[in-house]
Amino acid sequence: GAGVSQSPRYKVAKRGQDVALRCDPISGHVSLFWYQQALGQGPEFLTYFQNEAQLDKSGLPSDRFFAERPEGSVSTLKIQRTQQEDSAVYLCASSLRANQGSGNTIYFGEGSWLTVV
Amino acid sequence: EDKVVQSPLSLVVHEGDTVTLNCSYEVTNFRSLLWYKQEKKAPTFLFMLTSSGIEKKSGRLSSILDKKELFSILNITATQTGDSAVYLCAVVGYGGSQGNLIFGKGTKLSVKP
Repeated sequence: GAGVSQSPRYKVAKRGQDVALRCDPISGHVSLFWYQQALGQGPEFLTYFQNEAQLDKSGLPSDRFFAERPEGSVSTLKIQRTQQEDSAVYLCASSLRANQGSGNTIYFGEGSWLTVV
Repeated sequence: EDKVVQSPLSLVVHEGDTVTLNCSYEVTNFRSLLWYKQEKKAPTFLFMLTSSGIEKKSGRLSSILDKKELFSILNITATQTGDSAVYLCAVVGYGGSQGNLIFGKGTKLSVKP
């Protein structure tokens, strides 16, 4: 597709339920990022992939969060045993090259809005 | 610790006004600074700035970077109600990874008719 696509757009989960959020980056984009954005806050970094390699997962808030990108394209963010504090918008972004710098714009998907009740 | 601070956090103006949004940063190994506009969905890209003193313009929006003083401003002239959004500033640094964008909390702009 033309842009970064995320699904589901909206998810309501009961506390304790596992969820999986999918991201289809722009075709050919090497870099893929996941961000968490709480209401009224800026996006906060979760994890970064270069192709299939997860180079940085320092932003994952706990071991209940897991991300993968097995074939270097589609990525899944999985949250196990969801808690109310996990309620947020989960944004996926991609960029063409691995090196983030001049001319390498990062494009965002529309986000997956997760509400844990 | 790397950080990006935006000010003001919120701003209410009337159509036709000019606004200036501020972004200051402290980032290890600065690469570039980006501005995004976020309505009720994905942040949409506005500008990428890498060099000091070079103004980027797009219609009524413009932005400039000062790498010595570590800040950037985003100007919007002749504001319209469609400019109402959260404006996010983000900096690319090398911190813990090659790809990490560090965001500020955003400035919420409301433009009244």
